Amino acid sequence: SAVISQKPSRDICQRGTSLTIQCQVDSQVTMMFWYRQQPGQSLTLIATANQGSEATYESGFVIDKFPISRPNLTFSTLTVSNMSPEDSSIYLCSVEEAGVAKNIQYFGAGTRLSVL
Amino acid sequence: ILNVEQSPQSLHVQEGDSTNFTCSFPSSNFYALHWYRWETAKSPEALFVMTLNGDEKKKGRISATLNTKEGYSYLYIKGSQPEDSATYLCASRHSGGNTPLVFGKGTRLSVIA
Repeated sequence: SAVISQKPSRDICQRGTSLTIQCQVDSQVTMMFWYRQQPGQSLTLIATANQGSEATYESGFVIDKFPISRPNLTFSTLTVSNMSPEDSSIYLCSVEEAGVAKNIQYFGAGTRLSVL
Repeated sequence: ILNVEQSPQSLHVQEGDSTNFTCSFPSSNFYALHWYRWETAKSPEALFVMTLNGDEKKKGRISATLNTKEGYSYLYIKGSQPEDSATYLCASRHSGGNTPLVFGKGTRLSVIA
C-alpha cells in the first residue's frame, strides 16, 4: 500500500489569506485526489489531480478557489485561496492504484484548517 | 446525485459488546462498496472492498456483508475494544472503476472501558 505524507497537519489562518497543502507519495501513482470534509458532512471530492494537465474539478469546486498542481507522479499541492470561515474543514489527499485490489484508495492523515 | 447514508450517526458501547452499523447506497449501476476506519489525526484505513451481492469479508473481529440488490452493507464488530473507537466510513462506487467514490457521513463509535 502507498504511504502518503501530507502537510501541514493543521493550521489556523486569517480570512482572506491562502494556504497551500502538500501531498507526497512514496511511489509513483496515476490517480491522485483531493477531498474536503466540512464539519458534520461527508468526505467530498474536490478534484482529481492530473499529472501534466489541469486538474478535473467536481461540481461546486473551481480552479480559482482551489488551484491544484501535480508536477510529477509522486507529489501534488492544493491551495485554498482567499479563505473564509466556511473553508474550515479537514482536507485530505488520496491515491488510487487502479486495477490493484479493486481500486482501493489510500489517504493522507489530513490537514485540519480553521479560518478565523 | 448519488446519496450514501450511514446509521447511526454515533454510537457508544461498553467494552466487550458487539455492535453493527448500516450503510445504504443506490442499487442501480453498483460497482463496489468500501469500508474505512478513521481514527482522529490519522489516515483513513481501508477495511474492506466488496463488489458481489452476498459478499462477506472478515478482518479479525470486524466483518462486513453486502446486499447489492437492496443497496445496503452491514459492518459488525464483535467484542468491541477501546481501540475500536473511530469513525467508520462507507463509500460506494457506481458505473465502473473510474468513477469517484461517494462517501457517507460516517458512524462515530466510542467504546467505553
